Amino acid sequence: KAGVTQTPRYLIKTRGQQVTLSCSPISGHRSVSWYQQTPGQGLQFLFEYFSETQRNKGNFPGRFSGRQFSNSRSEMNVSTLELGDSALYLCASSFGDRDTGELFFGEGSRLTVL
Amino acid sequence: DAKTTQPPSMDCAEGRAANLPCNHSTISGNEYVYWYRQIHSQGPQYIIHGLKNNETNEMASLIITEDRKSSTLILPHATLRDTAVYYCIVRGNGNQFYFGTGTSLTVIP
Repeated sequence: KAGVTQTPRYLIKTRGQQVTLSCSPISGHRSVSWYQQTPGQGLQFLFEYFSETQRNKGNFPGRFSGRQFSNSRSEMNVSTLELGDSALYLCASSFGDRDTGELFFGEGSRLTVL
Repeated sequence: DAKTTQPPSMDCAEGRAANLPCNHSTISGNEYVYWYRQIHSQGPQYIIHGLKNNETNEMASLIITEDRKSSTLILPHATLRDTAVYYCIVRGNGNQFYFGTGTSLTVIP
């Protein structure tokens, strides 16, 4: 059974550019969540999608957005990149439907903004 | 809005039990406690979770106090591969996990 797959694993952008990250959840999982991890702020919740709808959102500016497709794959987009957006972006999937099971995390996409 | 408090670091001798404490004094009645660990910026790995009762699996045991305001993760026989950052997490509404700052566990040979 394939795990959560995130692409790309590493990328470098410059300030002002935008970036799109992709996440393929475990087969059968309908919920995809995104987290940002930085040395200063730790792991912070960005948003969660379930059945193509954003169900939960963290405290991030509107430059951070996401979407989910009918096959449960998800993308997140960051526009007008800032130096502080340099981070490891983690995607996690689960069956969703407000279950109490575990989240399965991908290996992350490491974004560096120059 | 982390809902958990953990010591920043701990050491444990190889082969001994590692006991990692966590305070979650504001936890609600229906919120679960989860433990994950992260090895050198890989994706967090699930360890165990519980609501009220103590739980045990092949990796660890979770002891939750009766008032649910704190818990302890126990790794019964720590190995060098258990060196990682351990996160105690309260699961909020839906699938939103509130990660604390974690405990950096170093297993010493």
